[in-house]
Amino acid sequence: DAMVIQNPRYQVTQFGKPVTLSCSQTLNHNVMYWYQQKSSQAPKLLFHYYDKDFNNEADTPDNFQSRRPNTSFCFLDIRSPGLGDAAMYLCATSRDQVLVTQYFGPGTRLTVL
Amino acid sequence: AQTVTQSQPEMSVQEAETVTLSCTYDTSESDYYLFWYKQPPSRQMILVIRQEAYKQQNATENRFSVNFQKAAKSFSLKISDSQLGDAAMYFCAYPSGTYKYIFGTGTRLKVLA
Repeated sequence: DAMVIQNPRYQVTQFGKPVTLSCSQTLNHNVMYWYQQKSSQAPKLLFHYYDKDFNNEADTPDNFQSRRPNTSFCFLDIRSPGLGDAAMYLCATSRDQVLVTQYFGPGTRLTVL
Repeated sequence: AQTVTQSQPEMSVQEAETVTLSCTYDTSESDYYLFWYKQPPSRQMILVIRQEAYKQQNATENRFSVNFQKAAKSFSLKISDSQLGDAAMYFCAYPSGTYKYIFGTGTRLKVLA
């Protein structure tokens, strides 16, 4: 089945220790998104790629970076995680614009000690 | 500014009964789409239903239907014959620009056996 896969599902890191979260998709979609979702809140868009074009949200901290080496993979790098970065990180894809469905991965839950 | 409001943080429904989740939004656009997404506990977010604003007919997907009131900027989700598997967070979403959703704050639906 075509899908969006996120690894790992659970990630524990220490305060200030860099961490990378991974997302892959078999849908061959042009657009990939990274969201941060804190407990019982709506997902907050961090950035998205349209093909190789990177689009950062204005309020995304510099601590968060992303890479998309090819159509299938996208990575979220958190350079120096703080306690406030503990959250669920969701990857999503869409064929093109948001006028069509976004397909979400199961998320990676990040714990910062 | 475009906003999406879900005024019910939590709702409960008895199994097999009907429940309606509310969503209001604000936009100056005339043509747009609206979405309801479902996020079950520890599972990925999936699209429940989509409404195109220029269509007067309310969208329906099996037990899920919407009551779309364009003039009132209201987009409620009705779940008929509620099942235990319907228990989830439900997010109303409005596309802002080409690639970004504005999500409501979510409604947690509990289904009572």
